[in-house]
Amino acid sequence: GAGVSQSPSNKVTEKGKDVELRCDPISGHTALYWYRQSLGQGLEFLIYFQGNSAPDKSGLPSDRFSAERTGGSVSTLTIQRTQQEDSAVYLCASSLEGTRLGEQYFGPGTRLTVT
Amino acid sequence: DQQVKQNSPSLSVQEGRISILNCDYTNSMFDYFLWYKKYPAEGPTFLISISSIKDKNEDGRFTVFLNKSAKHLSLHIVPSQPGDSAVYFCAAAYNQGGKLIFGQGTELSVKP
Repeated sequence: GAGVSQSPSNKVTEKGKDVELRCDPISGHTALYWYRQSLGQGLEFLIYFQGNSAPDKSGLPSDRFSAERTGGSVSTLTIQRTQQEDSAVYLCASSLEGTRLGEQYFGPGTRLTVT
Repeated sequence: DQQVKQNSPSLSVQEGRISILNCDYTNSMFDYFLWYKKYPAEGPTFLISISSIKDKNEDGRFTVFLNKSAKHLSLHIVPSQPGDSAVYFCAAAYNQGGKLIFGQGTELSVKP
């Protein structure tokens, strides 16, 4: 079956521009997560959606970052007025509610480069 | 404030030998620990996990050990195979579901 997909796979943008990153989770998965991995760093949690509950936004680094999840499925991560320090691989993951903790399935990521 | 730390950025092991990857954490509220494996240009894939009520979990060639008093966990791979070459991340959580806190990763290279 189809896994988590993300688009675009690569994005190069100029400093100050806005970008949108898309995530299509596994069908039926109610939980969706965004992480990012900066060069030489581990994965950093950004935001978590679970069903109809209010999202956990505790990891968003600034108010330039926002995310939506429409219809409980597709999610978009938006970064406004991009800065060079936003350059990273942005990873999306999804999991099925009620499964054993840890089975978050990751997409291949979007590599964002801010010039 | 790095709550989960992997102090070895890289490890090189001969095929057939044991690989031991280490991870330390600082938050005593963590109650679930996981290891993920990542190949280049792919997302991480779940490998093995352990609840804080256990001190060992085994799955085939992979065993995770948890020492709560030392706030330390390790992943043992026996025997190591060239296909195990990847970056390994440990992660921790303190509720069922929700965000994972990841370490920086250790790049394992298994030489034939």
